[in-house]
Amino acid sequence: EPEVTQTPSHQVTQMGQEVILRCVPISNHLYFYWYRQILGQKVEFLVSFYNNEISEKSEIFDDQFSVERPDGSNFTLKIRSTKLEDSAMYFCASSDYLTDTQYFGPGTRLTVL
Amino acid sequence: GDSVTQMEGPVTLSEEAFLTINCTYTATGYPSLFWYVQYPGEGLQLLLKATKADDKGSNKGFEATYRKETTSFHLEKGSVQVSDSAVYFCALTLANQAGTALIFGKGTTLSVSS
Repeated sequence: EPEVTQTPSHQVTQMGQEVILRCVPISNHLYFYWYRQILGQKVEFLVSFYNNEISEKSEIFDDQFSVERPDGSNFTLKIRSTKLEDSAMYFCASSDYLTDTQYFGPGTRLTVL
Repeated sequence: GDSVTQMEGPVTLSEEAFLTINCTYTATGYPSLFWYVQYPGEGLQLLLKATKADDKGSNKGFEATYRKETTSFHLEKGSVQVSDSAVYFCALTLANQAGTALIFGKGTTLSVSS
């Protein structure tokens, strides 16, 4: 069964450093998403992406964040200058163009020191 | 604003007990409703969904019915197993189309003992 994959599974970085989280969505899906879950809190939507453009983003997704589809298979989330409060589990998801059902990857745990 | 409220956990049950996890929502329009499950150390997996009033979603013995009159989508299972121990998330999207953000509840931890 096709699945969303994410790398790395765990990333540790120093405050102020840039990080790039990587995702490979399900191959025939056209919509891609990033969510985050701070420990003990809700899963929160960050951004959705379609046809090489952001289609929706939340208040959390400020200028520190960016997304990119650098090639035909990868989808990335970049955080330019990490803060302590960016420590969270980051989930990538994808969906096809017909339904609103999103399929999630296993997540990347980001720890900012 | 639009939101999802789930019952507080943890829920602790013995094997073969009946499970109910309550979920209510506040939303404009006609949302699609979902239950996702997160097993220890894993990501979010879609468990079931319903897209309109009175629809029943079901999977792996779990069921939930979209109740518009009570704005609820309670998750039920007749006989839980130890392997059902996980965190369960209720969620909605505001439009029945791709590209729309999922709005999640806080999650309910279920622990089943043998």
